[in-house]
Amino acid sequence: DAGVIQSPRHEVTEMGQEVTLRCKPISGHDYLFWYRQTMMRGLELLIYFNNNVPIDDSGMPEDRFSAKMPNASFSTLKIQPSEPRDSAVYFCASSRGTGGNQPQHFGDGTRLSIL
Amino acid sequence: AQSVTQLGSHVSVSEGALVLLRCNYSSSVPPYLFWYVQYPNQGLQLLLKYTSAATLVKGINGFEAEFKKSETSFHLTKPSAHMSDAAEYFCAVSVPVRDDKIIFGKGTRLHILP
Repeated sequence: DAGVIQSPRHEVTEMGQEVTLRCKPISGHDYLFWYRQTMMRGLELLIYFNNNVPIDDSGMPEDRFSAKMPNASFSTLKIQPSEPRDSAVYFCASSRGTGGNQPQHFGDGTRLSIL
Repeated sequence: AQSVTQLGSHVSVSEGALVLLRCNYSSSVPPYLFWYVQYPNQGLQLLLKYTSAATLVKGINGFEAEFKKSETSFHLTKPSAHMSDAAEYFCAVSVPVRDDKIIFGKGTRLHILP
């Protein structure tokens, strides 16, 4: 069974550019989570979806960040315009059933560098 | 609101020695508790979870954790460290029924000395 797939694995771009991160959750999982990891702030939950519907986006730092889940097998996290402080590793995770009870399965992350 | 505190951002142990990573939780109701491990350049993987059954939980790779309500702790242990255990470990908490999400601690990086 394939795990959570994220693309790209690495992204380097200049500030002001639009960045799109992609995630394919595990088939059959109905929860999808986006996290950001930095040395300073650790692992932060940005937004999560249940059955493709955004449930809690209180962790999204600013209006420059947006996330969509058009169907059960695909989600995007977009940053427009990007800034150097957005540099981090972004993880997508999915789970079957209530995320608080069931383990979350993480992708290998996208390492984003904004110059 | 629930939270977890991991004591020590870095822990070093010798190969073959006991591993002890500390986690204390705060929750107004009996929580679910988790330990995840992150190897370099990878995402987090579940090591073990406590969901109100046995208080001593066994996980993968020889790790185990004990839920102690009186101490609000969920420390992670392994009797004998291997070099391959070098990684970052995260304690996490959620509230049954109420929460869809898991709250992660800041993480503890485990270094194994030869």
